[in-house]
Amino acid sequence: AQRVTQPEKLLSVFKGAPVELKCNYSYSGSPELFWYVQYSRQRLQLLLRHISRESIKGFTADLNKGETSFHLKKPFAQEEDSAMYYCALSVTGNTPLVFGKGTRLSVIA
Amino acid sequence: SAVISQKPSRDICQRGTSLTIQCQVDSQVTMMFWYRQQPGQSLTLIATANQGSEATYESGFVIDKFPISRPNLTFSTLTVSNMSPEDSSIYLCSVGRGPEQFFGPGTRLTVL
Repeated sequence: AQRVTQPEKLLSVFKGAPVELKCNYSYSGSPELFWYVQYSRQRLQLLLRHISRESIKGFTADLNKGETSFHLKKPFAQEEDSAMYYCALSVTGNTPLVFGKGTRLSVIA
Repeated sequence: SAVISQKPSRDICQRGTSLTIQCQVDSQVTMMFWYRQQPGQSLTLIATANQGSEATYESGFVIDKFPISRPNLTFSTLTVSNMSPEDSSIYLCSVGRGPEQFFGPGTRLTVL
């Protein structure tokens, strides 16, 4: 079965500091990996997906198949980055997502 | 993208009653998903609803407790039956479009 692990429930960083949200997955095949973000009082929204290899709001994530990881990184955290971040896995594009437990990022001014 | 609306946005219900949550999508989609997010927890898939077939439920969720309808390609309902306080959660519908999934705003249910 697929599983997504986010080891940190809460991550606090100072504004301007680098941030890394960890995500590890278990799946024997080649999954599609996503990061979703939920800002306060807003709906869950897609932040980025590994196949697009893009940077959104300064965030990047690289899929490391050897380490089965998909960590989310940003070199300089901003206060507006404070939110709940979920790593998610899909076996194919039309299958439901398996979510990690989420990491709450708090950026301190 | 997809624009998804849910009704109601929140409700407070008495135990033993049932609540039906509606999910409306702005365009036709084949697959719709229903998730539950319990307080302080991550999202858990309840079932997958395809139009024209019965919903497929995940382990731990049964049709008698969470009946789902999918009458057309833009609409679905999830009913939470015979509610107990343990059913207090946010219920979200989601649609898949290509490699992405889009989520509704959620229905916050509190059972007293």
